[in-house]
Amino acid sequence: GEDVEQSLFLSVREGDSSVINCTYTDSSSTYLYWYKQEPGAGLQLLTYIFSNMDMKQDQRLTVLLNKKDKHLSLRIADTQTGDSAIYFCADPYAGNNRKLIWGLGTSLAVNP
Amino acid sequence: NAGVTQTPKFRVLKTGQSMTLLCAQDMNHEYMYWYRQDPGMGLRLIHYSVGEGTTAKGEVPDGYNVSRLKKQNFLLGLESAAPSQTSVYFCASSYSYNNEQFFGPGTRLTVL
Repeated sequence: GEDVEQSLFLSVREGDSSVINCTYTDSSSTYLYWYKQEPGAGLQLLTYIFSNMDMKQDQRLTVLLNKKDKHLSLRIADTQTGDSAIYFCADPYAGNNRKLIWGLGTSLAVNP
Repeated sequence: NAGVTQTPKFRVLKTGQSMTLLCAQDMNHEYMYWYRQDPGMGLRLIHYSVGEGTTAKGEVPDGYNVSRLKKQNFLLGLESAAPSQTSVYFCASSYSYNNEQFFGPGTRLTVL
């Protein structure tokens, strides 16, 4: 079936760059999403990329999309303690039972 | 504009008790979802709805029922709670399956 995979944990030092990786199987999606979940809260859309783009930059965030390898990454420059959260990759599945396919989430810990 | 609201925020049940979780959205979204989130298991879709009067099963529907009598509301019912249903429950809504999902703040349910 369709799947999205992410590593579960990432630990970085404050000020370093963080790179969170995701692989997906359904390549028919128009967009791919990154959501952020802060402690004790619901998920919020962080950024997205159209499937016809290779890169999207938004302030400290850079999203890279490698369609050939079905690989998506989120880079956070100058990571701050406020970036500590769980980051979810999500792929809209256009087959039967259309829905978002979620990764398990990467828990980012930022150490001072 | 409240977005997506959930009630209650916290609940403790005894095994065998029943309860209903209420989700409301004021964005005129067609799609609504109920997820549960457990450590290490990411978000799992319980049930969803693609419009008023419709419901469909997600990945983990057993032990839950839902209703969407009004477009803005999506109710999740537990008829006979079990300890395995201890979890954090999130409601979300979206315009369509591949558009941004907006999440509520979550309901933390403990079943003793």
